[in-house]
Amino acid sequence: GAVVSQHPSWVICKSGTSVKIECRSLDFQATTMFWYRQFPKQSLMLMATSNEGSKATYEQGVEKDKFLINHASLTLSTLTVTSAHPEDSSFYICSARLLARSGRARSYNEQFFGPGTRLTVL
Amino acid sequence: KQEVTQIPAALSVPEGENLVLNCSFTDSAIYNLQWFRQDPGKGLTSLLLIQSSQREQTSGRLNASLDKSSGRSTLYIAASQPGDSATYLCAVKYQAGTALIFGKGTTLSVSS
Repeated sequence: GAVVSQHPSWVICKSGTSVKIECRSLDFQATTMFWYRQFPKQSLMLMATSNEGSKATYEQGVEKDKFLINHASLTLSTLTVTSAHPEDSSFYICSARLLARSGRARSYNEQFFGPGTRLTVL
Repeated sequence: KQEVTQIPAALSVPEGENLVLNCSFTDSAIYNLQWFRQDPGKGLTSLLLIQSSQREQTSGRLNASLDKSSGRSTLYIAASQPGDSATYLCAVKYQAGTALIFGKGTTLSVSS
């Protein structure tokens, strides 16, 4: 359980186009999802925190008009990279926060990560 | 600024060796700490999660310790195998509702 999926797993696009990445929690509801970006040989850098039904909170230096985040349901958050440029090429990883779980005990407030989306902008 | 530092950045060992990866964090008031493994071009695999009230967690050949007062955690890997070769990331959560903050990772290479 506690599976997070991302779609697509990889995408190649031309400069100037927009790309949408989906993040889904498959077997739990996530009021909070996080979006990270990872450049080659670097660690994961938090881009924004996405809360269901409200506006996302962006980290310093992340352009909210360029990276549009929508968290319209408890199982889906989307990241749209608008007018993508080669410098946006990166590995984008989402994670969903599992707030609680019924039945067998699990770690409270644990984040579960998607497999990532590799974006290449030509 | 809350930062997570991992030392060393890279480590090469022969198969069978026991090894320790280090993680330090600037603010000791953490909520929990988590160790992940990342293979090249892949996502994250959670290895161990230590709550702030815990001192260590064990899973198979892996043991993670937490010393909040000194702002440190270690990941101990016993009897290393070539399949352990990967980048190991340490991440800290400072408050329940906030995101994990990651270190830059230690890239481990185990030779046969």
